[in-house]
Amino acid sequence: KQEVTQIPAALSVPEGENLVLNCSFTDSAIYNLQWFRQDPGKGLTSLLLIQSSQREQTSGRLNASLDKSSGRSTLYIAASQPGDSATYLCAVRMNYGGATNKLIFGTGTLLAVQP
Amino acid sequence: DAMVIQNPRYQVTQFGKPVTLSCSQTLNHNVMYWYQQKSSQAPKLLFHYYDKDFNNEADTPDNFQSRRPNTSFCFLDIRSPGLGDAAMYLCATSRSTGQAYEQYFGPGTRLTVT
Repeated sequence: KQEVTQIPAALSVPEGENLVLNCSFTDSAIYNLQWFRQDPGKGLTSLLLIQSSQREQTSGRLNASLDKSSGRSTLYIAASQPGDSATYLCAVRMNYGGATNKLIFGTGTLLAVQP
Repeated sequence: DAMVIQNPRYQVTQFGKPVTLSCSQTLNHNVMYWYQQKSSQAPKLLFHYYDKDFNNEADTPDNFQSRRPNTSFCFLDIRSPGLGDAAMYLCATSRSTGQAYEQYFGPGTRLTVT
């Protein structure tokens, strides 16, 4: 059974710092991995999606990497801003036989960027 | 332009009183999902519809039901809410059930049970 873990559970940094959020998964047979942002009391906003054949994806100040063999992904946020404060969730889709779009989520990292 | 809409955003219900949460979409996607997210926990898939075909997750309690009267709308019915059902309920859609199809999430409905 796939388990997705995110460490740390919470992180507080001063504005302007670069930071890394970690995601690990126990079963490397994934189809892809996706990072989401969730603001308090809100739904999920997709940030980056990495296919299993890719090593990284970039969008603006965000860079996500994937090491499928070791079961790890990182989300790098450059020059953090107070507006980046949110919970960041990673989720994997498994590469089971047949079509399945089931997302398996981690519990998230709560990020606070202090002005 | 909202693509996945959930109503209401906040719902308060009494213990044991049936409640219905609503999701609608303007994407014309074939698949609609319902997730439950309890405080500080990961979202957990309850069930999904592929067109009119209902697919229940093995560990979804019988207390949770769903209806999809047409492509655009999907409802989550909780027949007898308990205190443990207080959570954020997230609706998502995708074009198909294959892994290549990204899911689009609504803003969620936060359910409180008193």
